[in-house]
Amino acid sequence: AQTVTQSQPEMSVQEAETVTLSCTYDTSESDYYLFWYKQPPSRQMILVIRQEAYKQQNATENRFSVNFQKAAKSFSLKISDSQLGDAAMYFCAYRSGNYGQNFVFGPGTRLSVLP
Amino acid sequence: EAGVAQSPRYKIIEKRQSVAFWCNPISGHATLYWYQQILGQGPKLLIQFQNNGVVDDSQLPKDRFSAERLKGVDSTLKIQPAKLEDSAVYLCASSLSGGGAETQYFGPGTRLLVL
Repeated sequence: AQTVTQSQPEMSVQEAETVTLSCTYDTSESDYYLFWYKQPPSRQMILVIRQEAYKQQNATENRFSVNFQKAAKSFSLKISDSQLGDAAMYFCAYRSGNYGQNFVFGPGTRLSVLP
Repeated sequence: EAGVAQSPRYKIIEKRQSVAFWCNPISGHATLYWYQQILGQGPKLLIQFQNNGVVDDSQLPKDRFSAERLKGVDSTLKIQPAKLEDSAVYLCASSLSGGGAETQYFGPGTRLLVL
């Protein structure tokens, strides 16, 4: 079974600075998808960014980018120019390329943004 | 566009009682997911529906949990009888067709407390 590990339970960053959240996963599959989801306090979970394993280029979405190292099974999220609204729980998630296989979420990293 | 709706938002019951949660996905979304999120942990997928059929229920405790999506639209998740360890937030999510890289859209969740 696949597992997702986030080794940083809590992180903090100064407003306008850059922070990197770590994620590692374990799988024997070659076809899969990786995601970062954000869960703000008392608000709904939303997708931040996604990466298809077959793509070598790292995904970027505005201030958010990933460092996808397939051989190392690492998928870190970099947030540039951090804003107060970035404060949330961030979950790394894995999904198998086989249709119908379930999502596996990591335990999450709580990010605080300091003014 | 209306998001994923869930009700109730909060529920307090005593152990051994029954409880039911309701979810209405985004219109046109064929895939519906139920997750259990215990405090301090990432969401755990309980069941995935594709239209009104079950795609994956491997992590659903079938001795006490049941779920249905009879008309391929809204869904109910039931717990009978509830245990203390069922205290959690139950999240419903939907996606367009269930494809691997698709965005899942989450509802606000139902917070269950079992006393």
